[in-house]
Amino acid sequence: DAEITQSPRHKITETGRQVTLACHQTWNHNNMFWYRQDLGHGLRLIHYSYGVQDTNKGEVSDGYSVSRSNTEDLPLTLESAASSQTSVYFCASSDVAGPTGELFFGEGSRLTVL
Amino acid sequence: AQRVTQPEKLLSVFKGAPVELKCNYSYSGSPELFWYVQYSRQRLQLLLRHISRESIKGFTADLNKGETSFHLKKPFAQEEDSAMYYCAHGSSNTGKLIFGQGTTLQVKP
Repeated sequence: DAEITQSPRHKITETGRQVTLACHQTWNHNNMFWYRQDLGHGLRLIHYSYGVQDTNKGEVSDGYSVSRSNTEDLPLTLESAASSQTSVYFCASSDVAGPTGELFFGEGSRLTVL
Repeated sequence: AQRVTQPEKLLSVFKGAPVELKCNYSYSGSPELFWYVQYSRQRLQLLLRHISRESIKGFTADLNKGETSFHLKKPFAQEEDSAMYYCAHGSSNTGKLIFGQGTTLQVKP
């Protein structure tokens, strides 16, 4: 079955280290999104992509970067991890152009920055 | 700025009571509004969207453009409705799909 997977599911790292969270989907969806989930803030959009070589900043993009070299993957990189980036990260994809289609979510990656 | 507000962090009701989870959005134009739900140990999933005008698991939501609201309602809550609910707003103008802060619904027996 086609799906969307995230790895690692849990990660502990130290302040200042580079971290990459992987997101892979097998639906051939053009649109992919990264959100972070925090108590009191809900889900906040970090970056999104509407196709290969397309990337866009979301609400809270500082300290994060993404690249889209193929349809299936949208890795999220924290260049220099900070404690404020401790969170649960969700990747999602959709097949409708733009921000108006149903999102299909991964299981989430819990990141702890010490 | 595009914004979604869910004023209640926690809504606790008894089984069989009516439920209303509030959602207000701040961006005008032609909005696309959604409700997503996250049950315990499950993935976030779409519950319903305004354009389909469906009733899913007994839940309905009506888009009120005058009040810029998209409240989620159910006449008789069930224990299995206990979950985190997120309202989301998609705008073709901004190109973004923005979520609210989420409301935890707790249905007590």
